[in-house]
Amino acid sequence: GENVEQHPSTLSVQEGDSAVIKCTYSDSASNYFPWYKQELGKRPQLIIDIRSNVGEKKDQRIAVTLNKTAKHFSLHITETQPEDSAVYFCASDHGKSSGDKLTFGTGTRLAVRP
Amino acid sequence: DAMVIQNPRYQVTQFGKPVTLSCSQTLNHNVMYWYQQKSSQAPKLLFHYYDKDFNNEADTPDNFQSRRPNTSFCFLDIRSPGLGDAAMYLCATSRGRGGYEQYFGPGTRLTVT
Repeated sequence: GENVEQHPSTLSVQEGDSAVIKCTYSDSASNYFPWYKQELGKRPQLIIDIRSNVGEKKDQRIAVTLNKTAKHFSLHITETQPEDSAVYFCASDHGKSSGDKLTFGTGTRLAVRP
Repeated sequence: DAMVIQNPRYQVTQFGKPVTLSCSQTLNHNVMYWYQQKSSQAPKLLFHYYDKDFNNEADTPDNFQSRRPNTSFCFLDIRSPGLGDAAMYLCATSRGRGGYEQYFGPGTRLTVT
């Protein structure tokens, strides 16, 4: 089955700096790669996603890049703010074999120091 | 405005006493999921429904069952909760196959005493 590895597990940055979180996946049939943000005690919420026919996608301070050949994708947060502090999960689908499901990475706890 | 609703938000049960968690959605989505999330870990998929088609994960214990009586509602039954089943249980929905956003409910925090 699909395996998603995520690094680093914890990340501390100074407010205003950039943060980068990286994920690798194993299933070459995967086509959909979302990123979820989960604040303490709250539900995971989608912040950005990318599909396999696109190499990069941006939404204000957040961007995601995808390298299908290398099977890795990354989340980039620029000009970090204290409210960006949360746990971030990457995920990938299983391609056509089971398009309903996502496999999640192990999560990255991001702390933004004011 | 609530799109995925879970009840109750907090549930305390005794070891071995059956418990049912509920989820409802106003999105009319085809797919509903149940995840278990323990502290500092990723959500772990227990099972999901595509319409009435039930899909169980291979490593989901038999102690966990699910029902989806209609499009809007889905239930998680834990037949004999053990201490290891204490966790946050998240319900999610998505429109269908082919890579759609999953919308999560607020979760039910289950405590087993």
